[in-house]
Amino acid sequence: EAQVTQNPRYLITVTGKKLTVTCSQNMNHEYMSWYRQDPGLGLRQIYYSMNVEVTDKGDVPEGYKVSRKEKRNFPLILESPSPNQTSLYFCASMDRGGSNEKLFFGSGTQLSVL
Amino acid sequence: TQLLEQSPQFLSIQEGENLTVYCNSSSVFSSLQWYRQEPGEGPVLLVTVVTGGEVKKLKRLTFQFGDARKDSSLHITAAQPGDTGLYLCAGGIGGANSKLTFGKGITLSVRP
Repeated sequence: EAQVTQNPRYLITVTGKKLTVTCSQNMNHEYMSWYRQDPGLGLRQIYYSMNVEVTDKGDVPEGYKVSRKEKRNFPLILESPSPNQTSLYFCASMDRGGSNEKLFFGSGTQLSVL
Repeated sequence: TQLLEQSPQFLSIQEGENLTVYCNSSSVFSSLQWYRQEPGEGPVLLVTVVTGGEVKKLKRLTFQFGDARKDSSLHITAAQPGDTGLYLCAGGIGGANSKLTFGKGITLSVRP
């Protein structure tokens, strides 16, 4: 089954404690992206990757890092989490090209930073 | 940054009613997508429209892309409780959907 898998689904942590949210896709997509979703603000793009070893900032990259060492994985790293990073995070992948590009989203990671 | 305004922000209707919601921008998009998101899940693509004036139907859902490719509407006929969810529109620019811009979404509740 084609899917994007994020882990963990829920995470509670404390300010300053480094964490990583993993994302993996099994569709051989070149493009992957991270979003955060906040009430009243909608989905905002954090970082995206057009291919292995190619990453770029989205609209809200501050406080986040990503890496793309292999096509299937795109982890999101918070080196020193802060309470304003409490949010619902989504990873997505896409098969680019043609007029029927579509984003496949994971089920989300609810992060709380105390 | 291109902005997509969705309206209304919240909508609560009775089963069987019809409704139309909107996605508007001052920018021109090469494509526009609608997603539906249910609680506890990620958004799922419903449709992509790419041509000005294009109309697409998905069962009881009708999507239209404005002639100038700046706006879109979603019409639901005879809404059902299963239509409940968050509806997001997203605009792409110049075929580079890597910069898909999402609206804030419309929360729809259909009461039995």
